Amino acid sequence: AQKVTQAQTEISVVEKEDVTLDCVYETRDTTYYLFWYKQPPSGELVFLIRRNSFDEQNEISGRYSWNFQKSTSSFNFTITASQVVDSAVYFCALSEPPGAGSARQLTFGSGTQLTVLP
Amino acid sequence: AAGVIQSPRHLIKEKRETATLKCYPIPRHDTVYWYQQGPGQDPQFLISFYEKMQSDKGSIPDRFSAQQFSDYHSELNMSSLELGDSALYFCASSLEQGLNTEAFFGQGTRLTVV
Repeated sequence: AQKVTQAQTEISVVEKEDVTLDCVYETRDTTYYLFWYKQPPSGELVFLIRRNSFDEQNEISGRYSWNFQKSTSSFNFTITASQVVDSAVYFCALSEPPGAGSARQLTFGSGTQLTVLP
Repeated sequence: AAGVIQSPRHLIKEKRETATLKCYPIPRHDTVYWYQQGPGQDPQFLISFYEKMQSDKGSIPDRFSAQQFSDYHSELNMSSLELGDSALYFCASSLEQGLNTEAFFGQGTRLTVV
């Protein structure tokens, strides 16, 4: 069975600080996808990134960066120079390849509430 | 670009009533997923459909049913509503071709059972 653990329930930082959100996953499959979603107070789920299990290159997108380490089953997310608008719940999620006739479903972590203070 | 459309955005029902949530996937997407997110919880997978057939079932109560229609829109029917059904219900859609797909989420329907 697959499992995603986000040990940090809540994090508070002051604007312009860097912050790293941790994500550890468990899966028996060798092929899988990892995701990060942002959920602002308005409630929608905003897709941030998808990474497949064969691609361990770190990725940077503006102030966001992701560190995927298969050896430790971790997919951590760093926000550089945080801003108040980054305040949201961030979910890490895992999906495994569907079986025959099945669709892909996401297993979410419990989320990390990030609060960026002015 | 067109996104996943869910209706209604907000719904208030009384206990024991029924509710129907609708989801219109991104055009040409053939797969629909339903998730339930309780207050302070992470989204939990309920059910999915691929090409109008149920493909996977998660933690969906027997009081709930869903289907995907010929135009690929999907409806989640919820009967004998309970207070614990109050949640944010997300629909997501994807195009299932190989492994290089991702699910796009709608804005959710917030159901409140009173």
